[in-house]
Amino acid sequence: DGGITQSPKYLFRKEGQNVTLSCEQNLNHDAMYWYRQDPGQGLRLIYYSQIVNDFQKGDIAEGYSVSREKKESFPLTVTSAQKNPTAFYLCASSIDQSEQFFGPGTRLTVL
Amino acid sequence: QKEVEQDPGPLSVPEGAIVSLNCTYSNSAFQYFMWYRQYSRKGPELLMYTYSSGNKEDGRFTAQVDKSSKYISLFIRDSQPSDSATYLCATYNDYKLSFGAGTTVTVRA
Repeated sequence: DGGITQSPKYLFRKEGQNVTLSCEQNLNHDAMYWYRQDPGQGLRLIYYSQIVNDFQKGDIAEGYSVSREKKESFPLTVTSAQKNPTAFYLCASSIDQSEQFFGPGTRLTVL
Repeated sequence: QKEVEQDPGPLSVPEGAIVSLNCTYSNSAFQYFMWYRQYSRKGPELLMYTYSSGNKEDGRFTAQVDKSSKYISLFIRDSQPSDSATYLCATYNDYKLSFGAGTTVTVRA
């Protein structure tokens, strides 16, 4: 059963804490993306990776970090430098970059 | 100026009505246009994908692109309560998608 999985579904973070969101895909897609969704603002690109061991900053990369050690996996770390991390985080993958498929999302809340 | 502008609504229609959703975009170089549907607390799913100008139909859904006015539209015919969701328009250029804010649609039974 092919698809994109994200975990956890809900995540709570204390002030000053780093947290890592997981994204895994078994679609054999080369490209993977991380977006942040806030109410009334649509989706904004955080980081993207077009190939293993390579990734680029998107529009709002400050306070976030990623790695791409395996084709299937693209974890996102929300660091303590991200001042307003409460949001819905979406991971996507694509085979031709224009047609992106999304995971179910992780809702992060800062306590 | 945002690359893609979309009226956030909300939009409420009776079952069976035609739903009309619209977006405008700023960059005339955009060639690929998408509509995503997002149910509450779920990830977006690709609904329609069009290249350049023209119409594309898929069942009850029709996507239109007018590149001369930089206007993209989605029409839902014979709307059903199951169509209640947020609809996001998007354009693709270079490496990334640019999204509108999304329009929340409620179809009343």
